[in-house]
Amino acid sequence: TQLLEQSPQFLSIQEGENLTVYCNSSSVFSSLQWYRQEPGEGPVLLVTVVTGGEVKKLKRLTFQFGDARKDSSLHITAAQPGDTGLYLCADGTTSGTYKYIFGTGTRLKVLA
Amino acid sequence: DVKVTQSSRYLVKRTGEKVFLECVQDMDHENMFWYRQDPGLGLRLIYFSYDVKMKEKGDIPEGYSVSREKKERFSLILESASTNQTSMYLCASSLYGGGNSPLHFGNGTRLTVT
Repeated sequence: TQLLEQSPQFLSIQEGENLTVYCNSSSVFSSLQWYRQEPGEGPVLLVTVVTGGEVKKLKRLTFQFGDARKDSSLHITAAQPGDTGLYLCADGTTSGTYKYIFGTGTRLKVLA
Repeated sequence: DVKVTQSSRYLVKRTGEKVFLECVQDMDHENMFWYRQDPGLGLRLIYFSYDVKMKEKGDIPEGYSVSREKKERFSLILESASTNQTSMYLCASSLYGGGNSPLHFGNGTRLTVT
């Protein structure tokens, strides 16, 4: 069974700081999705990465997929209080199974 | 805009009650899912459905059942609620299975069983 490990579990930083969170898999990802879940809401997709070595940017967020497709990182530049939430990585497993495997998440709090 | 609506944000039920959690999506998606979310355990799949009247067990189906009579609606049923089913329940849908098809989530139902 594939396991997704996210680190750190918790992160509390000041507004304006930079941070990186990580997602590591026990096996090769089929494709990797990053979600953010704000308090009281459901997770919302941020990005999907598919190709090893791929880098995607979404405003102040930079997503990197490892060359071997077993790890990923999310870097936030100049964090803002609106970035507060739970960041989840997920493997969209190969078609035919319809199952997505989620990591346990990184809970980020950005203080004003 | 894509929308997944869960009928209740908060529910309090007593042990032994039959509980229905309802979910409706307006995107004509084939697939619908029920997850529960618990601190330290992440999201765990209870059941999913890839077509009307079709369902498959996820990782933790014990104590739950589901119903999908119409494409847009997916119901989760707790036949006899127990305190260990106190949790956040999230419904999701996707256009097609796996790969690049993202999940669209509702805002969740926080269920407390006393």
